[in-house]
Amino acid sequence: DIQLTQSPSFLSASVGDRVTITCRASQGISSYLAWYQQKPGKAPKLMIYSASTLQSGVPLRFRGSGSGTEFTLTISSLQPEDFATYYCQQLKSYPFTFGPGTKVDIK
Amino acid sequence: QVQVKQWGAGLLKPSETLSLTCAVYGGSFSAYYWSWIRQPPGKGLEWIGEINHSGSTNYNPSLKSRLTISVDTSKNQFSLKLSSVTAADTAVYYCARGLRPPDGVDVWGQGTTVTVSS
Repeated sequence: DIQLTQSPSFLSASVGDRVTITCRASQGISSYLAWYQQKPGKAPKLMIYSASTLQSGVPLRFRGSGSGTEFTLTISSLQPEDFATYYCQQLKSYPFTFGPGTKVDIK
Repeated sequence: QVQVKQWGAGLLKPSETLSLTCAVYGGSFSAYYWSWIRQPPGKGLEWIGEINHSGSTNYNPSLKSRLTISVDTSKNQFSLKLSSVTAADTAVYYCARGLRPPDGVDVWGQGTTVTVSS
């Protein structure tokens, strides 16, 4: 299985901050990477697919980049509704594994 | 607007079979893969498996020996059965629509909490 790691596991930030989350794959996955946002008690929400394509309706302050084994999710100016846990998922090979998550909390 | 709604038993005893069903309302059923994903309490997401309209499946090898995912195209429904459950199978189970080419899952069910306890 392809293993995904995320860093940091937890970050504390303020409204307006620029936030970057990194996802690393144990082997190359080209651009087969998606990012999800999950709020407590809710289903995850697809934010970015193909590493850098913004899902319809997702604000432009979210940006995904990377290919191969290293990927980043950047939120350019953190908003109150962005405080959540973010997961990456690889879709290069089965099983489609998820990263362990990064919780973004309010400072 | 595509909606995915799921249902099934929420409390099981060890060794029983977990059974969940998901119905798809609106949109194309045949153009996508239909997925199951679970999340143990306080933990991350685990991909369980997926199926398409013709019944082609992909399973997580860690669950494959106990897992069956099936489809009923006449009702736009798909189902999950997981046999011989233990406490480790306690989780919120989600059904979801998988994009093709594999681009993630974009429409999710509401989730079903399944607890395995004697």
